[in-house]
Amino acid sequence: DTGVSQNPRHKITKRGQNVTFRCDPISEHNRLYWYRQTLGQGPEFLTYFQNEAQLEKSRLLSDRFSAERPKGSFSTLEIQRTEQGDSAMYLCASTLSSGYNPGELFFGEGSRLTVL
Amino acid sequence: SQELEQSPQSLIVQEGKNLTINCTSSKTLYGLYWYKQKYGEGLIFLMMLQKGGEEKSHEKITAKLDEKKQQSSLHITASQPSHAGIYLCGADNTGGTSYGKLTFGQGTILTVHP
Repeated sequence: DTGVSQNPRHKITKRGQNVTFRCDPISEHNRLYWYRQTLGQGPEFLTYFQNEAQLEKSRLLSDRFSAERPKGSFSTLEIQRTEQGDSAMYLCASTLSSGYNPGELFFGEGSRLTVL
Repeated sequence: SQELEQSPQSLIVQEGKNLTINCTSSKTLYGLYWYKQKYGEGLIFLMMLQKGGEEKSHEKITAKLDEKKQQSSLHITASQPSHAGIYLCGADNTGGTSYGKLTFGQGTILTVHP
């Protein structure tokens, strides 16, 4: 199966530590998205890339958050100095901008972060 | 900013029953997406609606967008345990130029008892 892959699936860390999540999109997809989902809520948009360019960042993405997609393939989302409020599921999605329906996103299974 | 309100927040039905989930927007919907999520997993795309009055079906699931494009409904006929999960509506709030920045409702948790 060559769907969207996210690692690690679960991460438990202590407050103040840095964490990094990786997303491998579907290989031919040029757009990659990060969303965050807390318990009982729908996903919230964080940022997206078209190829290697980061085209939009949500105001939710504080200075402690940084995302990269250096070669237009996989992406990383780093959270520095984690806070308990960062505990959430971080979802990655990808799509093809020239596809029939560029709004149809293919999601990974998410990376669940717990900050103690 | 656009907000989506889903109702009900949760739903418990007996297998074989029909059910409807609603999604209401505070603004005109240019693209409305329905996704399904199993607990603790990613989202799976179900359907997309764009035109007022549009209706789409996939297997036993039908989604409609009202004429005014501010409300959508998802209807499941003869529900099965495999339909259980969280149903999320998402809106493309880019004025019709979809690029995947979706605003989601809070989700409706569906439980189907055998």
